[in-house]
Amino acid sequence: AQSVTQPDIHITVSEGASLELRCNYSYGATPYLFWYVQSPGQGLQLLLKYFSGDTLVQGIKGFEAEFKRSQSSFNLRKPSVHWSDAAEYFCAVGARNQGGKLIFGQGTELSVKP
Amino acid sequence: DVKVTQSSRYLVKRTGEKVFLECVQDMDHENMFWYRQDPGLGLRLIYFSYDVKMKEKGDIPEGYSVSREKKERFSLILESASTNQTSMYLCASRSNRVLGNIQYFGAGTRLSVL
Repeated sequence: AQSVTQPDIHITVSEGASLELRCNYSYGATPYLFWYVQSPGQGLQLLLKYFSGDTLVQGIKGFEAEFKRSQSSFNLRKPSVHWSDAAEYFCAVGARNQGGKLIFGQGTELSVKP
Repeated sequence: DVKVTQSSRYLVKRTGEKVFLECVQDMDHENMFWYRQDPGLGLRLIYFSYDVKMKEKGDIPEGYSVSREKKERFSLILESASTNQTSMYLCASRSNRVLGNIQYFGAGTRLSVL
C-alpha cells in the first residue's frame, strides 16, 4: 500500500541550530515528492518539490531536501533555524498518473527554542 | 498568485445540522480537493473533483458529499453533522495542464460540531 511516514511527531531545536525532518515513503514507482509547511491557523504552503533530475532540491525560506531512491526517503533540511520556522511540516507524495492526488504524512511539529 | 478561498475560518454547528463548506479558486484549475486534518493523522482526502460535475471518493468519504457545479467552486456538504466530524477542513486546487501535482491550499475551516 502507498504510504508516507514522518517518524518524528514533534521536534524542538534551538534557534541557529541545524534541522533535519525525516520522511520515508512506500510507493510503486518514483513519485512526485513535496514538503509543505503550515503555520498556526493557516493553510499549507509549498516549501519545495521534486519531480526528476537533481536529487537535491532547493526551496523557499532556505530549506532544501534530498531524494534518496535507495532509502525511499526525502528528508528536509535547513542549516540554521529561525524562530519563525516554528510550524508543522508535512511530507507528501503523488503519482504521475493518479490525477493529482497526494498522500500526506502525519506531520512533524517544529518548536524553536530561543 | 493562486488564491484558494474558504468562505469561513470558524464554524460552530449542532449535531444533525446540514453544513456547507465552500471553496473558491481563481486560477481556472481543473482539479479540486477536500481534506480533513486531525492531530497525528495528517491530511486525509475526503473527495476530489477532476472537473465540473465530476467527483470521486477519497479515503474517508463517509458522512460527506460534494458539489461542483462551476469550475471555480467546490462545496463540501455534511448531510447530518456529528461530533466526530469536528475537525479542520482544507480545500486545495490544482491545474492538470502544469507538470507535477502541485496543490494550492486555502486557509482552512475549523468546524466544531456540538
